[in-house]
Amino acid sequence: SQTIHQWPATLVQPVGSPLSLECTVEGTSNPNLYWYRQAAGRGLQLLFYSVGIGQISSEVPQNLSASRPQDRQFILSSKKLLLSDSGFYLCACPPTSGRGDTQYFGPGTRLTVL
Amino acid sequence: RKEVEQDPGPFNVPEGATVAFNCTYSNSASQSFFWYRQDCRKEPKLLMSVYSSGNEDGRFTAQLNRASQYISLLIRDSKLSDSATYLCVVTSSKIIFGSGTRLSIRP
Repeated sequence: SQTIHQWPATLVQPVGSPLSLECTVEGTSNPNLYWYRQAAGRGLQLLFYSVGIGQISSEVPQNLSASRPQDRQFILSSKKLLLSDSGFYLCACPPTSGRGDTQYFGPGTRLTVL
Repeated sequence: RKEVEQDPGPFNVPEGATVAFNCTYSNSASQSFFWYRQDCRKEPKLLMSVYSSGNEDGRFTAQLNRASQYISLLIRDSKLSDSATYLCVVTSSKIIFGSGTRLSIRP
């Protein structure tokens, strides 16, 4: 089965600073990869998904961007953070075993923008 | 109307009690249904799929009512370790997560 690594685990950043969150996946090849954000008391919001290297689809307009430079690497970035970017960022992919319409999540990055 | 709605709770019940909560969805073309569990400050994890015929996994029973467009989760003989947030997930052309129902089991 696959393993998803995310770092950093927690991050506190000032408004207007840049952001780079990294997700790497082991135990699978050419996975569909997803970035979600969970704001306090709210559901998971899909931000981006990628079906392959260099292929990114954005679900919501925002000041965030994503890149997939390698098959098993997915990066979430921002040039200037907003207060509203605070939240729990989760990288996900379908499980290698089990149903393909479910999501297996990484441990997440908790971002606080001050 | 939200695509997937859940009562946020919290549900606070004593150990050993039976607790149930529902999730409603708006898209009648939804195809797959799931319950996820999310512990505090952790990632969500798949708890169980929900089938039209209903399914049971130990103390957990999930049911789907397509006519009324809701799914339910029943937990029998609740344990302290069941305390968590339970997320309802509905898929059609995309995967939609509910905002979760908080469950707290007290001794």
